[in-house]
Amino acid sequence: DADVTQTPRNRITKTGKRIMLECSQTKGHDRMYWYRQDPGLGLRLIYYSFDVKDINKGEISDGYSVSRQAQAKFSLSLESAIPNQTALYFCATSDRGQGGSYNEQFFGPGTRLTVL
Amino acid sequence: SQQGEEDPQALSIQEGENATMNCSYKTSINNLQWYRQNSGRGLVHLILIRSNEREKHSGRLRVTLDTSKKSSSLLITASRAADTASYFCGGSNYKLTFGKGTLLTVNP
Repeated sequence: DADVTQTPRNRITKTGKRIMLECSQTKGHDRMYWYRQDPGLGLRLIYYSFDVKDINKGEISDGYSVSRQAQAKFSLSLESAIPNQTALYFCATSDRGQGGSYNEQFFGPGTRLTVL
Repeated sequence: SQQGEEDPQALSIQEGENATMNCSYKTSINNLQWYRQNSGRGLVHLILIRSNEREKHSGRLRVTLDTSKKSSSLLITASRAADTASYFCGGSNYKLTFGKGTLLTVNP
């Protein structure tokens, strides 16, 4: 079974709809992340969480919110989806690094979201 | 701001040749990481090099780090068609930030 799973894998929705993307992990990692990937822009960090009570904004958090329901679950919500949120969304996890650094991240398979 | 910037944006080589990709970053880092992404899939970690290391090997991969120039390079030796993918570097300071990637195409 995959260590990091994302649901749904594909989603088409309309402008103004509320959307939730879910991520679950079985790696026992404290840290979880949400990224979006757009052609030509690479990966950009939306939100990250160091543990259940520690949630931080990334580079592009506007229009998004997150919830860390448990150590293993981290969901991303689009309260009112708009077309420029059409992208590939990735969840990732990592354990704690030494001295505040980051160890390797493990990525989920991605969710392809299309907002019409 | 992006902590990793890969160069070139695209690279096309023949099978058996070596492929070199470069990465520059802006601020001090604790470590630098390279990832690979097959088309539309999640990133897969390749190698991590710490700021006090200058070179690291893993199989056909060789990574160098020059902290004075804030740059790193990834060398893939004896490339194979299966190495065709996008490669990303990420600089780790208080968070890991990726660049836009290098698209490597290895032609059979």
